[in-house]
Amino acid sequence: QITLKESGPTLVKPTQTLTLTCTFSGFSLSTNGVGVGWIRQPPGKALEWLALIYWDDDKRYSPSLKSRLTITKDASKNQVVLTMTNMDPVDTATYFCAHSHWNRAWVPYWGQGTLVTVSS
Amino acid sequence: EKVMTQSPATLSVSPGERATLSCRASQSVSSNLAWYQQKPGQAPRLLIYGASTRAAGIPARFSGSGSGTEFTLTISSLQSEDFAVYYCQQYNNWPQTFGQGTKVEIK
Repeated sequence: QITLKESGPTLVKPTQTLTLTCTFSGFSLSTNGVGVGWIRQPPGKALEWLALIYWDDDKRYSPSLKSRLTITKDASKNQVVLTMTNMDPVDTATYFCAHSHWNRAWVPYWGQGTLVTVSS
Repeated sequence: EKVMTQSPATLSVSPGERATLSCRASQSVSSNLAWYQQKPGQAPRLLIYGASTRAAGIPARFSGSGSGTEFTLTISSLQSEDFAVYYCQQYNNWPQTFGQGTKVEIK
């Protein structure tokens, strides 16, 4: 059974750096093809892919946010970490962790999501 | 970046009726398209991938069609649990992009 769970702060101040951790089980990020990424959803708005990291450490970033994002993995701990710098109120959103695969890139498994509010 | 446009924004349907949702890509995505259902406070749920393949456990009343730039999700007979927001997603290229969603509401 594949599960993913997000953890991190629920409130950050403008200009601060957000660090989110995805802890997963039921699969290994050392397995060929496997990827884990982050998708966010502002309140009442659509979904947006942020970043994705694959088993071989290949990384993909949203072009519009690339300068602010870093994604890393610790396969031994079954964790993926996303950092986003210079947070702004427009970054207020629910952040989801997601399981993916390089040639089956739909998302069958999602974390429950964590709401991050950016406010002073 | 491929832009996904869904229509209509809101669809009012009576239980038992058919619902037809559309998704258009700004450039061809081949058949690399998925559909998701999202209810308030929940993560999206995968319904369809490969434009027309139902995901595990998805009822047969959900069907997908299309390729290239035009796609359709059909719900043949709406059940009470189907009232939700539906998103399409292209995964042909990075960045993978989602449509803005279609809300299916009770008429």
